Amino acid sequence: ETGVTQSPTHLIKTRGQQVTLRCSSQSGHNTVSWYQQALGQGPQFIFQYYREEENGRGNFPPRFSGLQFPNYSSELNVNALELDDSALYLCASSRPTGGSYEQYFGPGTRLTVT
Amino acid sequence: GENVEQHPSTLSVQEGDSAVIKCTYSDSASNYFPWYKQELGKRPQLIIDIRSNVGEKKDQRIAVTLNKTAKHFSLHITETQPEDSAVYFCAASKGGSYIPTFGRGTSLIVHP
Repeated sequence: ETGVTQSPTHLIKTRGQQVTLRCSSQSGHNTVSWYQQALGQGPQFIFQYYREEENGRGNFPPRFSGLQFPNYSSELNVNALELDDSALYLCASSRPTGGSYEQYFGPGTRLTVT
Repeated sequence: GENVEQHPSTLSVQEGDSAVIKCTYSDSASNYFPWYKQELGKRPQLIIDIRSNVGEKKDQRIAVTLNKTAKHFSLHITETQPEDSAVYFCAASKGGSYIPTFGRGTSLIVHP
């Protein structure tokens, strides 16, 4: 069974730039959720994708957008980066249609905006 | 929306002692309550979870209890070991889509 992977591991961007983060879900999982984790905080839900459709969204502005592909991998795009976007971005995969609520996290992408 | 409060923010114990972390939630419709352990620089890892139709669940040294009436749930770790040192997060979610709201975390420090 393949675990959740994310790329890149670390990223440094300048305010105003755009960034794309990638996530490969665990084998057999059809749902991917993205979270932002600021230092010393719990993960904050950004959005969730199920079968290539957005299935829920947290309190994040439209400049945070995403995609899910037919193989259930996913991208998180952030436009017009702000200093406060600096955080650890986590994706997590799950298979709720199987009656299982367990969610498994990837290692995260550490984004620094300067 | 759901609001999850977690206490304490920091917990320091001696090796072998028990540790208890408590969370409260606001949405009575929440029905799934996972706990995650996050070691420094690593991903959160699911350590135990409980559904609303169960009052208690155990897995070796770890147990979780749920009081639906009071809308609170707790993590109990017995015989703590230094490797239990980490940040622990509780979460609450409802329905089949599993969109959890996380607590702010508890930093557990186990002194040898």
